[in-house]
Formats: sequence, C-alpha cells, structure tokens
Amino acid sequence: DAGVTQSPTHLIKTRGQQVTLRCSPKSGHDTVSWYQQALGQGPQFIFQYYEEEERQRGNFPDRFSGHQFPNYSSELNVNALLLGDSALYLCASSLAIGLQETQYFGPGTRLLVL
Amino acid sequence: GQSLEQPSEVTAVEGAIVQINCTYQTSGFYGLSWYQQHDGGAPTFLSYNALDGLEETGRFSSFLSRSDSYGYLLLQELQMKDSASYFCAVREGGKLIFGQGTELSVKP
Repeated sequence: DAGVTQSPTHLIKTRGQQVTLRCSPKSGHDTVSWYQQALGQGPQFIFQYYEEEERQRGNFPDRFSGHQFPNYSSELNVNALLLGDSALYLCASSLAIGLQETQYFGPGTRLLVL
Repeated sequence: GQSLEQPSEVTAVEGAIVQINCTYQTSGFYGLSWYQQHDGGAPTFLSYNALDGLEETGRFSSFLSRSDSYGYLLLQELQMKDSASYFCAVREGGKLIFGQGTELSVKP
C-alpha cells in the first residue's frame, strides 16, 4: 500500500519564477492538505482540497494556489516566488470520515529560492 | 488567537521515560495529535486524542485534558532512534495547527 508521494524531492528556483509541486495521496484517501515548513518551525497550513474544491485555506497570499484532480492527486502552485518561500512543502492526505480525520504526510519537496 | 506551546528541547538517556507537554489555545478543537519528524523527513503520525484520558500505543502514550487545554506525549524505554522532533497539533476543521516542535535528544 503506497503512502503519500510527492515530486520533485528538491527544487531550486530564482525570485519571480513560478513553481508547481505534485502530490499523490495514500490509497483510499480523498482529501489533500498542503503545508509549508520553514527550518526549525512547525508546518503551517496552506489549504485543503476535497472533491476538487478548496475546502479550507490558511493565511497565505493568492500567489499560492492549488488544484485537485478526479483521481484525488493534487498540485500546489506558487507564483512570483520570494526568497521567503524557501521551505519544505508537505502534502498530507486523509479520508474524510466524521471528526477523526488523521492526516498522513508525504516526504515533502524542499524548495530553495535564490 | 491560536497558539500551541511546547518545550523547544528535551534531553534524556536510553531506557528512560520522557514526557513532552503541550498547552493550546485555539478557537475550535477537534482533537490533539502528535507527530514525529526525523531531520527534514516526513512527519509521522503517532497518536490522536479527541476525548480526555490516556491513549497507549506500544512505548508511546498520549494524554489529553480538554478542561485544562493540555496534553502530553509520554515516551517509555527510550531508544537512540527516538531522537527526533515531536510536534503537537490541534485540528480545527480540516486543518492542523502545529506547535513549534520539541527536539528530543536521546543520549547513550
């Protein structure tokens, strides 16, 4: 049973560029959440997708956008990259059942903006 | 505001027991989770408490007191491989709000 997978593992971009990160959820999961983790910090919630719609959003600017596909996989897009966007980007998947919705994380994409 | 407080670092020796505390202040609450993260790796789910009391999973136990907005993770029979960062997280709707993490160092 494959867990959450993310691609690419590492990425280097320059300021002003755009980036797309990809996530495949754990088998049987229908919900995907994205988090940004700066060095030495806890993950910060970006947004969550369910049934191809953005269900909830954290305190991130509109430069951060996403998409969920019919097979439940998801993309995170970041436009006009800033140096401060350098971080580990984590994808988590879950199955929306009642109030207990355990999120399982992928290995992340480490983004460096120069 | 929303905040979670946990100690920044804890040191213990192999075979010992360590407790990592977490206090939280959030506008909504669906439960307290604990995750383990080794250097730059994926956060790994350890436990979840929705109701008051103790949940035990092998060497790890987690406790919640909703009236005190407090929980802890208890690690027994510490092993070197337990050296990692541990995060408490509160679920609000679909999102997890994480603490800053506690770096646990296990010494021989």
